[in-house]
Amino acid sequence: SQKIEQNSEALNIQEGKTATLTCNYTNYSPAYLQWYRQDPGRGPVFLLLIRENEKEKRKERLKVTFDTTLKQSLFHITASQPADSATYLCALFRGGFQKLVFGTGTRLLVSP
Amino acid sequence: GAGVSQSPSNKVTEKGKDVELRCDPISGHTALYWYRQSLGQGLEFLIYFQGNSAPDKSGLPSDRFSAERTGGSVSTLTIQRTQQEDSAVYLCASSLWDRLYEQYFGPGTRLTVT
Repeated sequence: SQKIEQNSEALNIQEGKTATLTCNYTNYSPAYLQWYRQDPGRGPVFLLLIRENEKEKRKERLKVTFDTTLKQSLFHITASQPADSATYLCALFRGGFQKLVFGTGTRLLVSP
Repeated sequence: GAGVSQSPSNKVTEKGKDVELRCDPISGHTALYWYRQSLGQGLEFLIYFQGNSAPDKSGLPSDRFSAERTGGSVSTLTIQRTQQEDSAVYLCASSLWDRLYEQYFGPGTRLTVT
């Protein structure tokens, strides 16, 4: 079965720096790879999606890369702010199975 | 417009009791999903509805779990004879039929079985 690995240790960075989070997966390459943000006590919020034939996607301060050879996605937040502190989840969607498979998430802490 | 809503937000129940969790998806979203998130765990897929039918029930942990959807809208997840291991946050998500990969989540129901 598909396994998704995200760094379980919290990532601590200073405000203004770039945060980089990693998502590694095994087995099949998904049709879509996505990143979600989850705050305590809330449901995940969709951030960005990248397709298997795309290398990079950007949205404001967010950037996602997708390397199907390495089976890895990197999620970058530039000019990070304390308000970016949250848990970030990687999720894969495989066509035909109609469901998302999630990683356990990485907690990001941005200090002022 | 309104997002996905879930009720109750919190539910404490005694072991052995039945519980019902409700999900109201975004208007116009024909696909609806239930997930479970246990402490320190990732989201675990439970069941998926397209309209009122559930083509994939593969994630339901046991026959104590069931779900239904009526009118292509509201869905109810029922857990019978609850056990302590059922304690978790139950999340509902919805999506458009042609964008199943882009799911919008509700705030979840925190279930505690004592």
